[in-house]
Amino acid sequence: NAGVTQTPKFRVLKTGQSMTLLCAQDMNHEYMYWYRQDPGMGLRLIHYSVGEGTTAKGEVPDGYNVSRLKKQNFLLGLESAAPSQTSVYFCASSYRISYNEQFFGPGTRLTVL
Amino acid sequence: AQTVTQSQPEMSVQEAETVTLSCTYDTSENNYYLFWYKQPPSRQMILVIRQEAYKQQNATENRFSVNFQKAAKSFSLKISDSQLGDTAMYFCARSSGNTPLVFGKGTRLSVIA
Repeated sequence: NAGVTQTPKFRVLKTGQSMTLLCAQDMNHEYMYWYRQDPGMGLRLIHYSVGEGTTAKGEVPDGYNVSRLKKQNFLLGLESAAPSQTSVYFCASSYRISYNEQFFGPGTRLTVL
Repeated sequence: AQTVTQSQPEMSVQEAETVTLSCTYDTSENNYYLFWYKQPPSRQMILVIRQEAYKQQNATENRFSVNFQKAAKSFSLKISDSQLGDTAMYFCARSSGNTPLVFGKGTRLSVIA
C-alpha cells in the first residue's frame, strides 16, 4: 500500500513555462485535494474533487487547473507559471469530505524563477 | 470566511515537560470535526488527534490530548512528556458538512534537550 504519491518531488520552472503535478492514491478514496503551503500561511486549498470526473475550486484556485479522469489520480496543472506560484504543493485524499482524516502525499517543492 | 486561528507562531519546551498549543475556530455549523496534524522536518503531514464536535469527551492518543471547549470554539493540544521527536510544525484544522479541511497557519514547536 503506497498511500498517496506525488510526482515529481522537486521542480524548477522558468516564468511562463507549464507543468503538471500528478497525484495518485491506492486507497479507493472518493475525495482528493490539492493544497499549497507557504511560510506563515499554513495549507491553503487550491482545488478539490468529490469523485471521478468532478472538480471544485478551493480558497486559492487562480492560475491552476485540475482534472480527475480516473478515481485514483488527481492532476494539478500550471499553464503559465509565475514566481508567486513558488511553493510546496501537497495532494491529499479521504474517504469522506469532513468526517475522516485526510491522507497526505510527501509534497512537491516547486520553484518558479 | 470561516477561519482557524493559531495564535502562537513558535513555541519551545524542555524535554519531558508538558506544552499546550492553542487553536480557536469560527463556524456556524453545529456538527463539525477538528484535527491536529503534525509536520516534522521530513515535511510529511501526520494526523495526531481528531475530535468530533458532538462528543463532549476530550480525545486522547497516548501522550497527546485535547481540551475541547465547544462554547468558546477552542481546541487546544496538550503534549505530555515531550520528546525530541515531537519537534515539528503543528496545524489545527476544521471540517464540516460538505466543506473540506480549513487549516490554521501553524505553530512551530521545538523540543529542547
